[in-house]
Amino acid sequence: EAQVTQNPRYLITVTGKKLTVTCSQNMNHEYMSWYRQDPGLGLRQIYYSMNVEVTDKGDVPEGYKVSRKEKRNFPLILESPSPNQTSLYFCASLPIGPGANVLTFGAGSRLTVL
Amino acid sequence: AQSVAQPEDQVNVAEGNPLTVKCTYSVSGNPYLFWYVQYPNRGLQFLLKYITGDNLVKGSYGFEAEFNKSQTSFHLKKPSALVSDSALYFCAVRAPSGTYKYIFGTGTRLKVLA
Repeated sequence: EAQVTQNPRYLITVTGKKLTVTCSQNMNHEYMSWYRQDPGLGLRQIYYSMNVEVTDKGDVPEGYKVSRKEKRNFPLILESPSPNQTSLYFCASLPIGPGANVLTFGAGSRLTVL
Repeated sequence: AQSVAQPEDQVNVAEGNPLTVKCTYSVSGNPYLFWYVQYPNRGLQFLLKYITGDNLVKGSYGFEAEFNKSQTSFHLKKPSALVSDSALYFCAVRAPSGTYKYIFGTGTRLKVLA
């Protein structure tokens, strides 16, 4: 089944304890992106990647890092999480090419930073 | 700058009645427009899109949307609401300029009452 898989789905952590949220897609998509969803703010883009080793900042990149060493994986790294990073996170992917315009989303990762 | 507005945080409708979820946008050029739905504990699922052509587009689960260029709107509609349609709905826009920047609205919670 074509899908985007995120792990963990739920995580409670403490301020300053480094964590990684993994994202993997099995559709050979070039484009991958991370969003955070907050009430009243909708989805905001954190980082995106157009292909392997090509990443760029979205609208709210502060406090996050990403890497794209393989086409299928796009982990989101929080080096020193803070309570304002408590949120629902989504990974999404998309093929690049004519007619390709529908993002496929993962199921989400709910992160709580105490 | 691109933007999307969903003016209603919540829409309540009785089962069997028609529903409308509003979306207006601001983007230069001819936009790509999308509707996604989010059920509890699930990722965003694609409902429908407008790229070009007929202003009325039909999508999944009996939903449709009308693109109105003069009013810069893309309202989501369904002739007869079901309780199972209760969910969070997001409108999104992408400028067709070659970037893959998707801007999402803040979401509208649809509640269909039995």
